[in-house]
Amino acid sequence: SAVISQKPSRDICQRGTSLTIQCQVDSQVTMMFWYRQQPGQSLTLIATANQGSEATYESGFVIDKFPISRPNLTFSTLTVSNMSPEDSSIYLCSVFDTLGAFFGQGTRLTVV
Amino acid sequence: EDKVVQSPLSLVVHEGDTVTLNCSYEVTNFRSLLWYKQEKKAPTFLFMLTSSGIEKKSGRLSSILDKKELFSILNITATQTGDSAVYLCATNSGNTPLVFGKGTRLSVIA
Repeated sequence: SAVISQKPSRDICQRGTSLTIQCQVDSQVTMMFWYRQQPGQSLTLIATANQGSEATYESGFVIDKFPISRPNLTFSTLTVSNMSPEDSSIYLCSVFDTLGAFFGQGTRLTVV
Repeated sequence: EDKVVQSPLSLVVHEGDTVTLNCSYEVTNFRSLLWYKQEKKAPTFLFMLTSSGIEKKSGRLSSILDKKELFSILNITATQTGDSAVYLCATNSGNTPLVFGKGTRLSVIA
């Protein structure tokens, strides 16, 4: 199964700043998915990151707020821009292979 | 719109009890159903089910899929306090993102 290394594990950030989250996969994958999980909620998909093309964003999420890079088939970043306390969440990246769908370790973001 | 519904939303049991968690779905182009255990941050993969009637088993956990009635169950026997977590069910429809249910919060008390 795919192994995903995600960092940072957690961060506390000032409002108005930006944070970039990285995910490295140990194998080449076509698509990587970015999720947000707000306290007490299930996972919400932010966007699908495809190598060589722009990410596809879900309703309610925009590129200016959550820019995504996908420079190759094993790596992606998600930036949370101009943060506010409402952005405090767990952020997760995920990939799908023949054995299932697997997640990075998650980034717990607190905006103060 | 694809939909995954889990029940119950929360459950409290005593150690040693057996629990059954439910997941029903309405999904176009269904490919597989997945179960996860989430304790702190990242969901931990448990099972992926693609065929009806074939039980998947790992220790005290087992799961089965019914593609005719569009549901799956996750059984945990002889529960332990370490089984306390949120259990998530999700469906996959090929090269599309997973659709998650809201999860079942299981609390196992000694």
